[in-house]
Amino acid sequence: QVQLVQSGPEVKKPGASVKVSCKASGYIFINNGINWVRQAPGQGLEWMGWIRPYNGNTNYAQKLQGRVTMTTDTSTSTAYMELSSLTPDDTAVYYCARDRVAYSSSSGWFDPWGQGTLVTVSS
Amino acid sequence: EIVLTQSPATLSLSPGERATLSCRASQSVSTYLAWYQQKPGQAPRLLIYDASNRATGIPARFSASGSGTDFTLTISSLEPEDFAVYYCQQRSNWVTFGGGTTVEIK
Repeated sequence: QVQLVQSGPEVKKPGASVKVSCKASGYIFINNGINWVRQAPGQGLEWMGWIRPYNGNTNYAQKLQGRVTMTTDTSTSTAYMELSSLTPDDTAVYYCARDRVAYSSSSGWFDPWGQGTLVTVSS
Repeated sequence: EIVLTQSPATLSLSPGERATLSCRASQSVSTYLAWYQQKPGQAPRLLIYDASNRATGIPARFSASGSGTDFTLTISSLEPEDFAVYYCQQRSNWVTFGGGTTVEIK
């Protein structure tokens, strides 16, 4: 079955960077985009951006432009999200989620999701 | 940015009752709208895409309708496992999510 398994929790100091991984299995990795969504404690969902593993094309949420970088390693079917210049407001659970539809040139519907990675930013 | 407004914020119902959730967009999203369910400590799960299509494995008690700016998710008869938070999401112009509706046990 299609599965996304994310890396473990992280604790970072303000100003640092964090890199979260998302390993995919059960489908052909390059065929479907990968999205990143975060959820601050007790809050709603915020889309961060999308990457197309086939060619590396990305779309980032305007709010995070310049701080977020999404990459993939097609040899290991793994997607990565790196967020820099962290502040306490970046404390959240970070999710990866696969685009439901293959071969799409933009972000679509998210299915399935990874289990989430808690990133805590604190001095 | 397209803003999605979900109402009510909280819905208090009993098992077996019908739940009706609303999602309103600040501008037309055509039928580029999805619904997700999230239970505590879990990742969201896709329920509905393209405004009215059930995702794989989603029970028939979940249905949805709408187009343009007004959308509805209906759960015909609440099961104990349906008490959760529900989010709508649009992909017409970038991606945004609504603030969520909590369906709680009355």
